[in-house]
Amino acid sequence: EVQLVESGGGLVQPGRSMKLSCAASGFTFSNYGMAWVRQAPTKGLEWVATISYDGSSTYYRDSVKGRFTISRDNAKSTLYLQMNSLRSEDTATYYCTRGDITTHWGQGVMVTVSS
Amino acid sequence: DVVLTQTPVSLLISLGGQASISCRSSQSLVHSNGNTYLHWYLQKPGQSPQLLIYQVSNRFSGIPDRFSGSGSGTDFTLKISRVEPEDLGVYYCLQRTHNPPTFGAGTKLELK
Repeated sequence: EVQLVESGGGLVQPGRSMKLSCAASGFTFSNYGMAWVRQAPTKGLEWVATISYDGSSTYYRDSVKGRFTISRDNAKSTLYLQMNSLRSEDTATYYCTRGDITTHWGQGVMVTVSS
Repeated sequence: DVVLTQTPVSLLISLGGQASISCRSSQSLVHSNGNTYLHWYLQKPGQSPQLLIYQVSNRFSGIPDRFSGSGSGTDFTLKISRVEPEDLGVYYCLQRTHNPPTFGAGTKLELK
């Protein structure tokens, strides 16, 4: 069974950093591109960043470019999202997702950016 | 960015009824490789989104045939026949043909 389990969220002050992790199991992690998608409270879904199966290629939405870094450790079957210079508008539930078709989603982790 | 316009914003459907959701794109979703990367998801209350339909019309594993997708180019439709209580929630379309991937704003399906 495919499982994606996010961790690392919580309350953080504006301008500070936070690192999210997503532990994958139930499939060959190194075969799949991965992505982070977020959802602000009571809002719709927003694509954040994508990484290729081998980590050689990444893509970011404009509003996080230069502040967020997506990475992966295929030996540990883990996806990461390093978030720097956080802003209040980054407050959201962050989902780890699998594949080009986005077939599977984690349960999500809440990130609250507030003083 | 590609804008996906979903209509209606909300749907009131009776159990056993039929629902139809439209997703219109600001540009063609046909990729240079000939595929169309338009997918449909359902987010039930308090849950993560789940894939229903991928690449316009392919039902994902375990999705009942009450769900069907159709369309081409810029106009796409999700139909749900014989609506059941577990179908309630917010439906989203997602395009992954162009970067950045973008979602529709969602359609909330509620019981009448």
